[in-house]
Amino acid sequence: KAGVTQTPRYLIKTRGQQVTLSCSPISGHRSVSWYQQTPGQGLQFLFEYFSETQRNKGNFPGRFSGRQFSNSRSEMNVSTLELGDSALYLCASSLAGGSTYEQYFGPGTRLTVT
Amino acid sequence: GESVGLHLPTLSVQEGDNSIINCAYSNSASDYFIWYKQESGKGPQFIIDIRSNMDKRQGQRVTVLLNKTVKHLSLQIAATQPGDSAVYFCAEIPTGFQKLVFGTGTRLLVSP
Repeated sequence: KAGVTQTPRYLIKTRGQQVTLSCSPISGHRSVSWYQQTPGQGLQFLFEYFSETQRNKGNFPGRFSGRQFSNSRSEMNVSTLELGDSALYLCASSLAGGSTYEQYFGPGTRLTVT
Repeated sequence: GESVGLHLPTLSVQEGDNSIINCAYSNSASDYFIWYKQESGKGPQFIIDIRSNMDKRQGQRVTVLLNKTVKHLSLQIAATQPGDSAVYFCAEIPTGFQKLVFGTGTRLLVSP
């Protein structure tokens, strides 16, 4: 069974631009979560989607948004990029999300904002 | 509040030794705890989990201990191998939330 895939793997953007990252969960998994990983803040939860609905949201500004499609694939968007948005963005999928099931992480998308 | 922290940022051991990685958490309402391993250039990989109604769980070469009295979690790795070198994170899922709250991570360095 294929793992979680994320595209692109690397991305360089300039301040003020916007970016869209994509995540394909493991087949059969309906929950997708997004995390931001930085050396200073560690791994921080962005949001979680289940059946195309956002169930939980972390403490990030409204510039960070996401969505989930009917096939469970998910995208996250960051508008008006800032230097501090440079990070590894990780996507994780699970059967149903929450405390019941394991979350499987993708390799991440490394975003650099210049 | 939600806070998961690790006592040691780096742990260096010799191959064959047993390793113990510690983690403190502050949210007594969490009912599920997980240990992840992250190798360079990869996403976190699930190692083992434990529910709050348990105090010990064993896997292959790994054991997780949970002490709810002092809000402490530990990961024990038996016969540590060079391939175990990575950053290890503990994470909790607060009751009623669909998200992982991660600790700061401990880097494990295994010398041959």
